[in-house]
Amino acid sequence: QKEVEQDPGPLSVPEGAIVSLNCTYSNSAFQYFMWYRQYSRKGPELLMYTYSSGNKEDGRFTAQVDKSSKYISLFIRDSQPSDSATYLCAMSQSGGSNYKLTFGKGTLLTVNP
Amino acid sequence: EPEVTQTPSHQVTQMGQEVILRCVPISNHLYFYWYRQILGQKVEFLVSFYNNEISEKSEIFDDQFSVERPDGSNFTLKIRSTKLEDSAMYFCANPKGASGGYTFGSGTRLTVV
Repeated sequence: QKEVEQDPGPLSVPEGAIVSLNCTYSNSAFQYFMWYRQYSRKGPELLMYTYSSGNKEDGRFTAQVDKSSKYISLFIRDSQPSDSATYLCAMSQSGGSNYKLTFGKGTLLTVNP
Repeated sequence: EPEVTQTPSHQVTQMGQEVILRCVPISNHLYFYWYRQILGQKVEFLVSFYNNEISEKSEIFDDQFSVERPDGSNFTLKIRSTKLEDSAMYFCANPKGASGGYTFGSGTRLTVV
């Protein structure tokens, strides 16, 4: 079983739609969960950072973590064409400054005007 | 927001040649990471560097790889004898600290021919 699994898509939605992106993981030691956005041939850009289970909202973005199910989600409300990118989930066992990330493969999202 | 700068943006090299990828991290940061992303694959951890020493490395980071801080501010990733399978995007990153996650550089695309 892969450590972090993410449906690669592609996912295509109309502008204004609610987008749901998901990852599952197998390592119960993961405590910190992140979502990154990556444009083609660019570095990942941090969108959301959460610790343990629960929800976190930032503007149009909501991150959810369910550690009991080993399942994390990112919801994008009122999606815009500028949201078109690859979305990567990532997680780590520790936080602070000294930790390595384990990434999902990424989901390619296209928001059509 | 502070940036992590990488050069060159694209490097083409012949198999067996040495390459040096460069990164200027966010100033005064002690922790530093290199990741790579083979086209269509996951972002993978290579090595973490703390206070001028390697603190952790992955199985990918074999004897062909080395990381240095030659002048106190810049970081380099050296691949001594490149192989075709080293073709990938290479990202350096600094942790964001209390706010969590990393700041990634824009990456160097390495093509080995």
